Amino acid sequence: EDQVTQSPEALRLQEGESSSLNCSYTVSGLRGLFWYRQDPGKGPEFLFTLYSAGEEKEKERLKATLTKKESFLHITAPKPEDSATYLCAVQASSNTGKLIFGQGTTLQVKP
Amino acid sequence: EPEVTQTPSHQVTQMGQEVILRCVPISNHLYFYWYRQILGQKVEFLVSFYNNEISEKSEIFDDQFSVERPDGSNFTLKIRSTKLEDSAMYFCASSAVGAFTEAFFGQGTRLTVV
Repeated sequence: EDQVTQSPEALRLQEGESSSLNCSYTVSGLRGLFWYRQDPGKGPEFLFTLYSAGEEKEKERLKATLTKKESFLHITAPKPEDSATYLCAVQASSNTGKLIFGQGTTLQVKP
Repeated sequence: EPEVTQTPSHQVTQMGQEVILRCVPISNHLYFYWYRQILGQKVEFLVSFYNNEISEKSEIFDDQFSVERPDGSNFTLKIRSTKLEDSAMYFCASSAVGAFTEAFFGQGTRLTVV
């Protein structure tokens, strides 16, 4: 069964304190791995797509990496506005575009 | 910037009533989806829709659920007889030319069944 597990469930950082979020996955034929940001009461906001092991993507203070079993979202020198829930999702080998989500990591950055 | 629009933002309905949740996907997108998120839980896939037909549906998407693209811009989710356990945030999403491009989500409809 295709599955996505994120850790930790919650993370508290001081402003400027860098860290990483983990997304472990088991999927029958990975088509793509996606990172989304979700603010309370809002829809997921797209951040990155990774397609193959070794691939990296960057956007401002965020950098996503991918291996054959997991992905990391590295947050460098975070600011309070980076506080949100970060969701990881995978697309398996079916061609319907279905996303399988992890439960998310809730990040709180204190000033 | 193009966005997915959902209405209403919040709907309260009595158990057993029918509800229709509405979505306007991004205009040049071809793949449409509904997801739901029960409070405190994962975002769960309900259904994908392409070329005016369902391409995949989850176990959650039983006979009480249906989707429709009644015109060139709207995409709807109907729940025929709502249950208490249908209370959740429902998200519409769309993606562009291929199913493997990123999906963009709307802000959601919070459905409360009382």
